[in-house]
Amino acid sequence: GAVVSQHPSWVICKSGTSVKIECRSLDFQATTMFWYRQFPKQSLMLMATSNEGSKATYEQGVEKDKFLINHASLTLSTLTVTSAHPEDSSFYICSARLISNTGELFFGEGSRLTVL
Amino acid sequence: AQKVTQAQTEISVVEKEDVTLDCVYETRDTTYYLFWYKQPPSGELVFLIRRNSFDEQNEISGRYSWNFQKSTSSFNFTITASQVVDSAVYFCALSEVSSNTGKLIFGQGTTLQVKP
Repeated sequence: GAVVSQHPSWVICKSGTSVKIECRSLDFQATTMFWYRQFPKQSLMLMATSNEGSKATYEQGVEKDKFLINHASLTLSTLTVTSAHPEDSSFYICSARLISNTGELFFGEGSRLTVL
Repeated sequence: AQKVTQAQTEISVVEKEDVTLDCVYETRDTTYYLFWYKQPPSGELVFLIRRNSFDEQNEISGRYSWNFQKSTSSFNFTITASQVVDSAVYFCALSEVSSNTGKLIFGQGTTLQVKP
């Protein structure tokens, strides 16, 4: 199947710093990528839909100025957590949809963020 | 609005027992996809199955089987002769085709513990 790669897999940062997480579709093009957040022992919650060449669509309650999403190419979307705080510590997972829109989604391995 | 409910928060079985994980969904769309994912302790999401709303045939893949019933809006997942390696969190998810967003709505997840 298609491969989606996230980097870094885990990151520890100090409070107040910004962290960038990359999501790459390695062997296919994705016009749409999704960013999910998962707190410990909870489900995955969609944060935003990232569209190549246009602004991301954020879910209700997600601060767009805090979670900056850039989808500059058909194979790369980035999520930047700005001025991170301990409550932003979470598992962030991206997924990508095939350009053909067959409904198939492929998930990255996830990125675990710990803010001290 | 769309919603996915996994009423079983945690299930514990002894190895070789059969176990069924329940999933009930709500949607106004007539065309949608249903998914099951496995999330082992390492965190990555492992794709198990995708089912189109027009395909109500039950599916079997090795020890895994799925029972899709539109009449009760359920998409249950059964593991036969469970093994310790089946221990994980299992998520059921829904994607509505008409919205053309491709985003997944996840259930709360069911933690399965298989004891030796």
